[in-house]
Amino acid sequence: EVQLLESGGSLVEPGGSLRLSCAASGFTFSSYAMTWVRQAPGKGLEWVSGITDNGGSTYYVASVKGRFTISRDNSKNTLYLQMNSLRAEDTAIYYCAKAGNGSPYSAMVYWGQGTLVTVSS
Amino acid sequence: DIVMTQSPDSLAVSQGERATINCKSSQSVLYSSNNKNYLGWYQQKPGQPPKLLIYWASTRESGVPDRFSGSGSGTDFTLTISSLQAEDVAVYYCQQYYSIPHTFGQGTTLEI
Repeated sequence: EVQLLESGGSLVEPGGSLRLSCAASGFTFSSYAMTWVRQAPGKGLEWVSGITDNGGSTYYVASVKGRFTISRDNSKNTLYLQMNSLRAEDTAIYYCAKAGNGSPYSAMVYWGQGTLVTVSS
Repeated sequence: DIVMTQSPDSLAVSQGERATINCKSSQSVLYSSNNKNYLGWYQQKPGQPPKLLIYWASTRESGVPDRFSGSGSGTDFTLTISSLQAEDVAVYYCQQYYSIPHTFGQGTTLEI
């Protein structure tokens, strides 16, 4: 059974940093691209970042480029999102999601339960 | 960025009736080299993560009931629920994965 378990969300002050983790199990992690998608309270979905199966290519939405870094450790079956210079508008539930293949140019076939990031003073 | 626009924003349909949700992209999401539309549909129920229903615009994900179907090509797409069930009450999103960033529509709230 595919499982994605996000962690690391918390309350942080504007300008602060957080690192989110997503522990994967139930599939061959190193064979699939992964993505982060966020959802602000009461709002729609926003694609944030994606990474290829081997970690060789990464992609970001413009609003987080230069502040967020996606990475993965295939030996630990874990996806990460390093979030720096956080802003109030980054407040959201952050979901990790598994792509349908090794490329991020794929639908997201399985989602974790999400972790809440709140940026506030 | 490709802008995805769904219509309507909300929809009330009687149980057993057909529900239709439309999604329009600001540019084509059809990749000519493989003739695939890079378009997915997701269902999100309250307090839950999204669930993939349809990918490549018309391919139903494993385990999804066959009352859900997707159609369309290029810039215009439709999700149809042929006979609405109570458990289909949710917000539905389309998403293009043709170009980065992989943008979503604003969502359509489906009620009974």
